[in-house]
Amino acid sequence: AQSVAQPEDQVNVAEGNPLTVKCTYSVSGNPYLFWYVQYPNRGLQFLLKYITGDNLVKGSYGFEAEFNKSQTSFHLKKPSALVSDSALYFCAVHNNAGNMLTFGGGTRLMVKP
Amino acid sequence: GAGVSQSPSNKVTEKGKDVELRCDPISGHTALYWYRQRLGQGLEFLIYFQGNSAPDKSGLPSDRFSAERTGESVSTLTIQRTQQEDSAVYLCASSFQGANSPLHFGNGTRLTVT
Repeated sequence: AQSVAQPEDQVNVAEGNPLTVKCTYSVSGNPYLFWYVQYPNRGLQFLLKYITGDNLVKGSYGFEAEFNKSQTSFHLKKPSALVSDSALYFCAVHNNAGNMLTFGGGTRLMVKP
Repeated sequence: GAGVSQSPSNKVTEKGKDVELRCDPISGHTALYWYRQRLGQGLEFLIYFQGNSAPDKSGLPSDRFSAERTGESVSTLTIQRTQQEDSAVYLCASSFQGANSPLHFGNGTRLTVT
């Protein structure tokens, strides 16, 4: 069975500082990895995905994520955080043969001015 | 274009009553998913449709839960004899076929069982 772990319930960072939201996964076969963001009182929005190719993928709003096969990780990063980045972030994994996209438990990002 | 639409946005019901939640996916999206999100928690997979067939119903928590889809269009999630633990936000998402296609989520239906 596939699974996703987001070890931090909450990440606090000061505006302007770099941020990292951690994600590790377990899946058979090649993983398809995704990050989604959920702003308050809104639905989930797709941020970025890794399917194949370059291990560093760039997405919306200046976010990027690095796929590390040996560590089975897909951490979300941004060089300079904004207060408006404060939201709930979900990592998700899909194997290339399955039907189900499995989500992690979510990490709340709080960016303080 | 129009996104995924869910109705109602909020539903309050008494314990024991049946409820029906509706999802209108993005036109052309063959895949449709239902997830449940309890307060402060992650997303719990319920069911997946490819067209109008449901190859994966493994996430439905009990036989009180059922879902159907008409063609590659509207889906309804029905909860019979609701219980308080059913209170949650029910999220619908649609996508093109293929594991590498991102999901597009609706804003969800917030269900409260009193």
